[in-house]
Amino acid sequence: DQQVKQNSPSLSVQEGRISILNCDYTNSMFDYFLWYKKYPAEGPTFLISISSIKDKNEDGRFTVFLNKSAKHLSLHIVPSQPGDSAVYFCAASGGRAARQLTFGSGTQLTVLP
Amino acid sequence: EAQVTQNPRYLITVTGKKLTVTCSQNMNHEYMSWYRQDPGLGLRQIYYSMNVEVTDKGDVPEGYKVSRKEKRNFPLILESPSPNQTSLYFCASQDSEGDEQYFGPGTRLTVT
Repeated sequence: DQQVKQNSPSLSVQEGRISILNCDYTNSMFDYFLWYKKYPAEGPTFLISISSIKDKNEDGRFTVFLNKSAKHLSLHIVPSQPGDSAVYFCAASGGRAARQLTFGSGTQLTVLP
Repeated sequence: EAQVTQNPRYLITVTGKKLTVTCSQNMNHEYMSWYRQDPGLGLRQIYYSMNVEVTDKGDVPEGYKVSRKEKRNFPLILESPSPNQTSLYFCASQDSEGDEQYFGPGTRLTVT
């Protein structure tokens, strides 16, 4: 049973609009969450993270929201750009110092010009 | 340039023929890990290493071996590959203070 779920395999958004990628988790022991971005033929690269003591973390155009009671997090990209087109993976761990990550299945974001 | 390198990038082999995928990082990171990526399943951890001579199983270790004799290298060994090990493999490293894992470019393995 997948402990981290990304239920939307794909998402298309118009350039300049907001992209919202969602992620749900089931394990209550997870308390640190990360988003990775992956382009074809490359390894994933770290995008943004959030600790469970926060409900929001912002870095430029990227904001991650965490709703602990719902075991749900989301990544907002505003404004979306064609270069944001990639697969986005949500990941969770049992703390910032923990190294074992559990990944979701990924969402392919396509930003249309 | 700080990086994680993997070799080979592409490999086609036959069932039962032992192979090794190498992984090396130049960032002096203590932690290293191997993942496999399969459609609809995301990345699943195979093995990880907290430091030299310290390795442990991840979520899908069956059919794989690893070793960590030096800090920079973490090879993945398939003693007797089978078709269900056809996958895209990623090596990653992380230091003790950082948030992020740095991933290699991936190795696409096909076992026929």
